[in-house]
Amino acid sequence: AQSVTQPDIHITVSEGASLELRCNYSYGATPYLFWYVQSPGQGLQLLLKYFSGDTLVQGIKGFEAEFKRSQSSFNLRKPSVHWSDAAEYFCAVVKYNNDMRFGAGTRLTVKP
Amino acid sequence: DSGVTQTPKHLITATGQRVTLRCSPRSGDLSVYWYQQSLDQGLQFLIQYYNGEERAKGNILERFSAQQFPDLHSELNLSSLELGDSALYFCASSPRRGQEDSYEQYFGPGTRLTVT
Repeated sequence: AQSVTQPDIHITVSEGASLELRCNYSYGATPYLFWYVQSPGQGLQLLLKYFSGDTLVQGIKGFEAEFKRSQSSFNLRKPSVHWSDAAEYFCAVVKYNNDMRFGAGTRLTVKP
Repeated sequence: DSGVTQTPKHLITATGQRVTLRCSPRSGDLSVYWYQQSLDQGLQFLIQYYNGEERAKGNILERFSAQQFPDLHSELNLSSLELGDSALYFCASSPRRGQEDSYEQYFGPGTRLTVT
């Protein structure tokens, strides 16, 4: 069965430190991959997406993600975290029929 | 602002009641999706409509139903409500099929349903 795994439920980083959020997927074909961010009480905002081509994709708010087919991973990174980045981050995979499956999410806390 | 609107923002109702949640997709988007987000189940796909027709079904209970109208807005109907139905309900929309960006989904702000 297709699935998305985010191994880290909660991550705490200091402001200005680098960030990497992990995402692994299980899917039988080339997936379409997404990262979304959800601030408290808000909807989900699309950060970036991977469809094909260059495996390093740039998104909004200074985020980037790298698709590694050999590791079935699509990890999200940011070189320097800001306090406003504190939120919940969701990795998602789309199946052929637009059925989007989400990981359980990773909650990011940013220490001053 | 994603361009997807949902009403109401909050809804408090009693067990056994029926409610209707409304969603207006982004201008030009033909697909509408409904999701339920709860602490124990996470973000669960419920159902998808494309241009008025049901396209895909996820973990939607029989007590729940949805439809998409000719003007492309959608409604999610929840009936015989139970305490466990308390959750955030999100609507998302995506562009027409046949384009690569049709796989992107843009989410509304959600409706928080509390069943007492």
